Amino acid sequence: AQSVTQPDIHITVSEGASLELRCNYSYGATPYLFWYVQSPGQGLQLLLKYFSGDTLVQGIKGFEAEFKRSQSSFNLRKPSVHWSDAAEYFCAVALKGYNTDKLIFGTGTRLQVFP
Amino acid sequence: ETGVTQSPTHLIKTRGQQVTLRCSSQSGHNTVSWYQQALGQGPQFIFQYYREEENGRGNFPPRFSGLQFPNYSSELNVNALELDDSALYLCASSFGIRFREYNYGYTFGSGTRLTVV
Repeated sequence: AQSVTQPDIHITVSEGASLELRCNYSYGATPYLFWYVQSPGQGLQLLLKYFSGDTLVQGIKGFEAEFKRSQSSFNLRKPSVHWSDAAEYFCAVALKGYNTDKLIFGTGTRLQVFP
Repeated sequence: ETGVTQSPTHLIKTRGQQVTLRCSSQSGHNTVSWYQQALGQGPQFIFQYYREEENGRGNFPPRFSGLQFPNYSSELNVNALELDDSALYLCASSFGIRFREYNYGYTFGSGTRLTVV
């Protein structure tokens, strides 16, 4: 069955430090890949997505992610974290196809930012 | 352009009761998906409605049901509530064309927090 693993439940970084959030997926083929962010009391906001092409994807708020087929990974990065980046981050995959565009989410990584 | 609106924002129900959650989709969208997010977990797909018809269902029992209306708004109904139904319920709208590959242009609402006691 398809699955998404986010190995880090909770990450703490200092403001201005670099960030990398890990995501691994288990799938029969290369799926569509997504990163979403959820602030307290809010819904999910799409940061970036990968469908095909260039494996380094740029998103909003200065985030980027790199798809590595050999590692079945899609890690999220940011060179310099801001206090406002504190939130829950979800990696998600979707089956390429023509039926239902459902997303399969990981369990999330909670990011805490210290000043 | 309006976003996705969900109501109510919070709800407390007793085990065994029934609940209806509502979602107004973003203007121009014709597809609504519902997700359940238990505490400390990622969202899980419940079902999707495309132009008033169910278009896929996740691993949820039949007591979870839904509707989509001609204006593409949607309801999620849960019967015989159980304690484990306590969760944040997220609605996401998108625009789809049947038999065309999706672009996953979801817009999520802020969710309804359901507590079952």
